[in-house]
Order: sequence, then C-alpha cells, then structure tokens
Amino acid sequence: GAVVSQHPSWVICKSGTSVKIECRSLDFQATTMFWYRQFPKQSLMLMATSNEGSKATYEQGVEKDKFLINHASLTLSTLTVTSAHPEDSSFYICSAGAATGAGQVGDTQYFGPGTRLTVL
Amino acid sequence: DQQVKQNSPSLSVQEGRISILNCDYTNSMFDYFLWYKKYPAEGPTFLISISSIKDKNEDGRFTVFLNKSAKHLSLHIVPSQPGDSAVYFCAASDRNAGNMLTFGGGTRLMVKP
Repeated sequence: GAVVSQHPSWVICKSGTSVKIECRSLDFQATTMFWYRQFPKQSLMLMATSNEGSKATYEQGVEKDKFLINHASLTLSTLTVTSAHPEDSSFYICSAGAATGAGQVGDTQYFGPGTRLTVL
Repeated sequence: DQQVKQNSPSLSVQEGRISILNCDYTNSMFDYFLWYKKYPAEGPTFLISISSIKDKNEDGRFTVFLNKSAKHLSLHIVPSQPGDSAVYFCAASDRNAGNMLTFGGGTRLMVKP
C-alpha cells in the first residue's frame, strides 16, 4: 500500500516550453500532496502544498505563476513548469499522505519516484 | 535558517556493525519525525517514524530515538548491511500546521563489506 507514482520519470525540453508532471496516489486518497525540488547534492526543498479542490499554497520564493499546481482529484496532482529555463532543471518529487478523515493528512508521507527535468 | 540539521554529511561503517545517524532540530513545534532512505534520481523511501510523545520506536533493524529536551533524534541500524548504503534524510513536521516536511541535509551512509 501507499504507492505514489510520478510521470514522466525524466524529461528534456527546450527553453521556453512548458512541462507537466503528474503525481498519483495509486492505492489511497490524498487530499493533500506536496511538491519538492532537489538540486544536485542538496536536500529536498518544499515548493508547495497541493490541496484537492482549492488553490495550492506556495513556499516563500516559489513563483506560483511559474509552477502551476492543480489538484483535480483525490488521487492526482499536477505540477506544470511554465516557460521553463535552464535554471529550472532539477529533480522534482511529490509526496502524499493518506487521508485519515476529517480533512487530516496522514502523518507519514510517501514519495513518488521523482522526475528529472533538464531544460536546454 | 535550517530548522533540521544533519551535521555529518557522510558516515562509513563496517558490515555487521551499528550505524548511528544523527539529526538535530530547532523548531519546538515539530511533533512528528521521519527517516527516509534515498538513492540518486529516486524518490525517498520511508523507513521509520516517531511521534513526539515517544522516545523510541523500533522496526526490525531500524530504531529511532528521540530526545525532545535536546531536540535531537537518531537512527540506529543494526546490523548494518551493504544494501543500507544510501543517503539518509531525517524530516520533521508540525502536524498542526499542515504536515509538510522539513528535511535535513542528508547523511551518506557507506557500509563496507
């Protein structure tokens, strides 16, 4: 149980294009999903919290117009990197915690396998 | 301001011995702590967690200890195996503030055969 998938696992795109990354909870419902970014040899940094049916909450310094998040259902959140530039090249990872009722997120978050984005 | 710190970037241990990974935090509102194992270009894999109401949690070869007064937690792996070689991240969350995780910088564990 508690499997989270991400698609695609890697993507190479030209500067200026937009890239959509999907995060799915396969065997549980997730009212809240989280998007992280990891630069080489660095830790995971929270970008935003994705809430089903409402707007995402972005961390300080993360441009909400550049990183569009949509949480359309209880099992799917998408992150779209708009007008990608080389500095957006990174490893993007999502996580989800099982809903435990009353809108609460499960204590333990499970991570997807990550998406390697390379912008040329 | 790093709220979660792993002061040892790397650790080398002989197979069969104990591995001890340490983590310190500063935010007293954190009430849930987790350890993840991560390989390059993969998502973190959950290992073990502990609530702030406990001081120890054990799962097989993995034991996490929490010292709230010192704001310190540690992960013990015994016996260590070569397959344990990876980067280990500790993470903390405030369950009353949205449950998002704050990660430490990671410790690379190398278990030598």
